[in-house]
Amino acid sequence: SQQGEEDPQALSIQEGENATMNCSYKTSINNLQWYRQNSGRGLVHLILIRSNEREKHSGRLRVTLDTSKKSSSLLITASRAADTASYFCVTSGNTPLVFGKGTRLSVIA
Amino acid sequence: EAQVTQNPRYLITVTGKKLTVTCSQNMNHEYMSWYRQDPGLGLRQIYYSMNVEVTDKGDVPEGYKVSRKEKRNFPLILESPSPNQTSLYFCASSARNGGGYGYTFGSGTRLTVV
Repeated sequence: SQQGEEDPQALSIQEGENATMNCSYKTSINNLQWYRQNSGRGLVHLILIRSNEREKHSGRLRVTLDTSKKSSSLLITASRAADTASYFCVTSGNTPLVFGKGTRLSVIA
Repeated sequence: EAQVTQNPRYLITVTGKKLTVTCSQNMNHEYMSWYRQDPGLGLRQIYYSMNVEVTDKGDVPEGYKVSRKEKRNFPLILESPSPNQTSLYFCASSARNGGGYGYTFGSGTRLTVV
């Protein structure tokens, strides 16, 4: 199975600041996905980046992928209190997805 | 609305009493999966199904059963629940596994076994 590992485990920032989370993985991938989970709720798919892409944007989200370093980053710009959640990266190859433990983001108003 | 529906949302049961958590999706997805989430351990996959009548074990299948008799439903069965199965459970589906498809998650089932 394939697994992404998020870093840092926890991140606390002020509203309006940017938040950056990193993800590392070990095997070759077809794509990498980021998900958000509000406390006790189901995960919500945020963005998917394919292995032949280097950067992708969706609203205030920017994802980069460096396959040579087997790493990805998720940048949330101009953060809001509503962005407070856990964020997970998941790599996808030919085996089922395995989720890491996530980064817990707290945005303080 | 495209969604994955889990029931029940909350369940308290006693050790040994068989229970079923239902999962249904309305997106004609081929792939479905069950996860449990525990503090400090993240999400761990229990079972998954690539298509109808095709199921396979995930990382923590012990004590669980599943079936996939039709495409939309993927129930999770606990034949004899034990307290260590107290957890938050999520069902997820995808058009296919891998290949550039995102996953849609249900809202979760919080199970307590006493």
